[in-house]
Order: sequence, then C-alpha cells, then structure tokens
Amino acid sequence: AQSVTQLDSQVPVFEEAPVELRCNYSSSVSVYLFWYVQYPNQGLQLLLKYLSGSTLVKGINGFEAEFNKSQTSFHLRKPSVHISDTAEYFCAVSDGSGNTGKLIFGQGTTLQVKP
Amino acid sequence: GAVVSQHPSWVICKSGTSVKIECRSLDFQATTMFWYRQFPKQSLMLMATSNEGSKATYEQGVEKDKFLINHASLTLSTLTVTSAHPEDSSFYICSARKAGQGAGGELFFGEGSRLTVL
Repeated sequence: AQSVTQLDSQVPVFEEAPVELRCNYSSSVSVYLFWYVQYPNQGLQLLLKYLSGSTLVKGINGFEAEFNKSQTSFHLRKPSVHISDTAEYFCAVSDGSGNTGKLIFGQGTTLQVKP
Repeated sequence: GAVVSQHPSWVICKSGTSVKIECRSLDFQATTMFWYRQFPKQSLMLMATSNEGSKATYEQGVEKDKFLINHASLTLSTLTVTSAHPEDSSFYICSARKAGQGAGGELFFGEGSRLTVL
C-alpha cells in the first residue's frame, strides 16, 4: 500500500520569496507522483506529475518538483511566489503498476503568501 | 479542458434520510471515477473507486451499504448516503479520469458537495 506524508501543515512566506513544500511517500512498487492545488471554493487542479524519465518536473504557474527515489521524496518548489499562490497543496501517489490508478493524498499544506 | 460537475454543491438533510450526490463528466467519458471525503482542514480520504457497468470497489473501513455508488454510464456516477447521521456530515468530492488513460492519467475533480445532516 502507498502512503504520503506532507511534512508541513502550514507554510507562511512573503511575496516574491522562494518556497518549498515537502512531500515524502512510501510504496513497495513503482509509483506515479502528483501535486494538486485547491484554491478556496474550487476543485482540485493538477499542478504537475511525475511518471518516468527526467526527475525534475515542471508544472503550471511556475512550479516544479523533483523526484528523488533514494529519499522517496517529491518536493514542490517555486522560486518566487505571488499572493495568488495562496492555496492548499496536496501531494498524491498512485500505484504505477496498478490498473485503477487510485490516488492517495497527503494531509495537505496550506501555503500562505503574505504581502 | 475537462470538466467534472457535482450536484448538489451543498445539501442539508434530516437525520435518517438519504441523500444522492451526482458526479458528471461534462465533456469526456470516464470509465473510472473516484469518490473522496474531506474533513475540515484535512486531506482527501478515498472512499471508493466507481467502475462503469460494475460494482464499486470500496476502501477498507468504508461501509458499502451506507455509501451506495452507482456508475450507470460513462459520464455519470452517483453517491447515495443512506440513513444519514450527523457524523456523515462532510465534504464529498468526486474525480474522473478520461477513458483509455492508465494510472498516470490526470484526474479531474468536481468542486465538491457539502453535506450537513441535522
């Protein structure tokens, strides 16, 4: 079974500063990794995903994440955040060898961007 | 884009009644849909995998007789909370993957349905 741990429940940061949201996973099989964002009163949107290949994945809105197999991590980064990035961010894992591809989510990290 | 619509977006019901929540993929077909439950300030908990034309697969600890899931077509899945009680109050979210895409395919999420049981 897979599981995901997001190490920070809240991350406050000033506008234009860099940010890293941490995510660690556990799995006995190969996995696909995802980051989703949830803005207030909206559904989840895909930021980026890692399936295979290059370990550095670039997503929308200037976000990127790096897959580190040895550390079982998939941290999300952005070099300069905006007020509009304030939202809930979820890391998720699915079984890369399974058929259903169900996603298991981490606890979520609230990114609070301050002016 | 791919749009998933949930209805109703919020519902209030009396204890003991049943409530049905619909999840529709508006512009694509989905052989698999997923139902999640989200508590305030917490993560999404997977309840079940809804498969078109067959029985849903429930996660451990989720009562299948309590949460009835029907996936009657490639664009519609329904979740019925039967004999609802206050502890069933929660935010229910559905998601769908485009037909033909495997486990790496993007999931598209509805905006959620907030259920309040009095």
